[in-house]
Amino acid sequence: DIQMTQSPSSLSASVGDRVTITCRASQSISRYLNWYQQKPGKAPKLLIYAASNLQNGVSSRFSGSGSGTDFTLTISSHQPEDFATYYCQQTYSTPLTFGGGTKVDI
Amino acid sequence: QVQLVQSGAEVKKPGASVKVSCKASGYTFINYYIHWVRQAPGQGHEWMAVIDPSRGSTAHAQNFQGRVTMTSDTSTSTVYMELSSLRSEDTALYYCARDYSGSWYSGQYFDYWGQGTLVTVSS
Repeated sequence: DIQMTQSPSSLSASVGDRVTITCRASQSISRYLNWYQQKPGKAPKLLIYAASNLQNGVSSRFSGSGSGTDFTLTISSHQPEDFATYYCQQTYSTPLTFGGGTKVDI
Repeated sequence: QVQLVQSGAEVKKPGASVKVSCKASGYTFINYYIHWVRQAPGQGHEWMAVIDPSRGSTAHAQNFQGRVTMTSDTSTSTVYMELSSLRSEDTALYYCARDYSGSWYSGQYFDYWGQGTLVTVSS
């Protein structure tokens, strides 16, 4: 199975901050990498697919980059509604696997 | 609007089975694969399985070999996931999710999710 490692596991941010979250795959996954946001008691929400494609309706302050084994999710200017946990997911091969999450709080 | 509505919470004893439903609306049911993902309390997400609602084809993670069964009912736009031989470690929130990609082997991405169904396994 492909292991996905996110860092940091948590971080504190202020409104307006630029926030960067990284995700590393245990082997090359090309650009088969998605990012989700999850708030307590809610289902995950798709933000970015195929490493850098912004999902319809998602704010352009979210962006993704990377290929191979190293990927990044960036929030250009953190907003109050962005406090949540973020997960990466590889879809290069089954079983599809997720990172352990990065909790972003105040 | 696209919606996936799951069945309600379940409490089961070890060794029993549970069947969770996921009713789709707002789109053409047979055109998108449905995946199942679970999240145990305080744990990460675990991909379980996928079904092609139009053909009934399925695939699942090796961890669930022999224990997970998925079916689809095109007349009601509903997918079912049954997990058997339950153990305490199966206590989790179970989600269904629509795969927009149309890809069976790679490149999937989940654009709509159900609200989750809590399955508790306890004696």
